[in-house]
Amino acid sequence: EVQLLESGGGLVQPGGSLRLSCTASGFTFSSYAMSWVRQAPGKGLEWVSAARDSGSTTYYGDSVKGRFIISRDNSENTLYLQMNSLRAEDTALYYCAKDRSGSSGPFDFWGQGTLVTVSS
Amino acid sequence: AIRMTQSPSSFSASTGDRVTITCRASQDVSSYFAWYQQKPGKAPKLLIYAASSLQSGVPSRFSGSGSGTNFTLTISCLQSEDFATYYCQQYYTYPRTFGQGTKVEIK
Repeated sequence: EVQLLESGGGLVQPGGSLRLSCTASGFTFSSYAMSWVRQAPGKGLEWVSAARDSGSTTYYGDSVKGRFIISRDNSENTLYLQMNSLRAEDTALYYCAKDRSGSSGPFDFWGQGTLVTVSS
Repeated sequence: AIRMTQSPSSFSASTGDRVTITCRASQDVSSYFAWYQQKPGKAPKLLIYAASSLQSGVPSRFSGSGSGTNFTLTISCLQSEDFATYYCQQYYTYPRTFGQGTKVEIK
């Protein structure tokens, strides 16, 4: 059974940093691209960042480019999101999501999310 | 970035109704297109991928069509468990983008 478990969320002041983790199980983690998707309270889904299977290729949304860094440890089946220079508008539930196929695909499995609140 | 525009943003329907939600992409995404369902307090669930392929375990009352820039999600006979918010998404290129969502409410 595929499982994705996010952690690391919490309350942080504007300008602060936080690192999210997503621990995966039930599939060959190193064979799939993984993404972070966020959802602000009462709002829609916003794709944040992705890392290809090896982790050597990464992508970012414009709203986080230059502030967030995605990485993965395939030996530990874990995806990370280092979030720096946090802003109030980064407040959201952050999901990690697995690509359906190894090369490119929609997200067939999602975690339950970890909440990040940026406030003074 | 490719912009995804869903319509309507919300509507009310009754159990047993046939409902249709549309999504338009600002540029050609071929069939690299998906639909998700999200219920309150839950993670999104993949319903349709490759524009018209049903994800494993999803009831056959859900169907998708379209290619290029215009796509449709149809629920043939709305059930009580289908009242939720639906999102479209393109995965043709990065950044991946979602539509703004369509909330299906009980009439």
